[in-house]
Amino acid sequence: GAVVSQHPSRVICKSGTSVKIECRSLDFQATTMFWYRQFPKQSLMLMATSNEGSKATYEQGVEKDKFLINHASLTLSTLTVTSAHPEDSSFYICSASGRTDTQYFGPGTRLTVL
Amino acid sequence: KQEVTQIPAALSVPEGENLVLNCSFTDSAIYNLQWFRQDPGKGLTSLLLIQSSQREQTSGRLNASLDKSSGRSTLYIAASQPGDSATYLCAVIIVQFYFGTGTSLTVIP
Repeated sequence: GAVVSQHPSRVICKSGTSVKIECRSLDFQATTMFWYRQFPKQSLMLMATSNEGSKATYEQGVEKDKFLINHASLTLSTLTVTSAHPEDSSFYICSASGRTDTQYFGPGTRLTVL
Repeated sequence: KQEVTQIPAALSVPEGENLVLNCSFTDSAIYNLQWFRQDPGKGLTSLLLIQSSQREQTSGRLNASLDKSSGRSTLYIAASQPGDSATYLCAVIIVQFYFGTGTSLTVIP
């Protein structure tokens, strides 16, 4: 089956720094990638949708200048949390879809901002 | 806006028991519905995908049903095992995924 990886799996950073999270489709071309955020004891909430070579579409309430998404190739999307603060601490999960609408989910990245 | 609710929020059962997890959604115009399991601190593992034209899907001890008209889906787990302990999420798919709030399942040996 299709495999999606995320790197890093866990990151701890100081408040005010920026953190980049990578999402890769390992064995298929991902024309669309999705970024989700999951706070403790809550479900996943879609943050943004990105199509390769296009600007990402952000969900209401998600700051595009804070959460920078780049989908420069068909196998890689990156999410950069700029000037991270403790309230940004969360579990970030990406998913990717190719020629079909099926989404394949990555293993997630745990971000802790001190 | 699509809202997805899962009941119960938490469930604890003895090993071997059969159980049912519930998922309800407000907009019946869905493409598909998918059930996932999530282990603590981990990503999602897809369990079953039900297309809108289907009424149920089965995989091993798992059976998922879908009733679009009433906005409900159930996940039936037969002969539960301690390894089934996890959070179970349902997601309705209308172009994008709308996830439910999850049911945290504990199977007691």
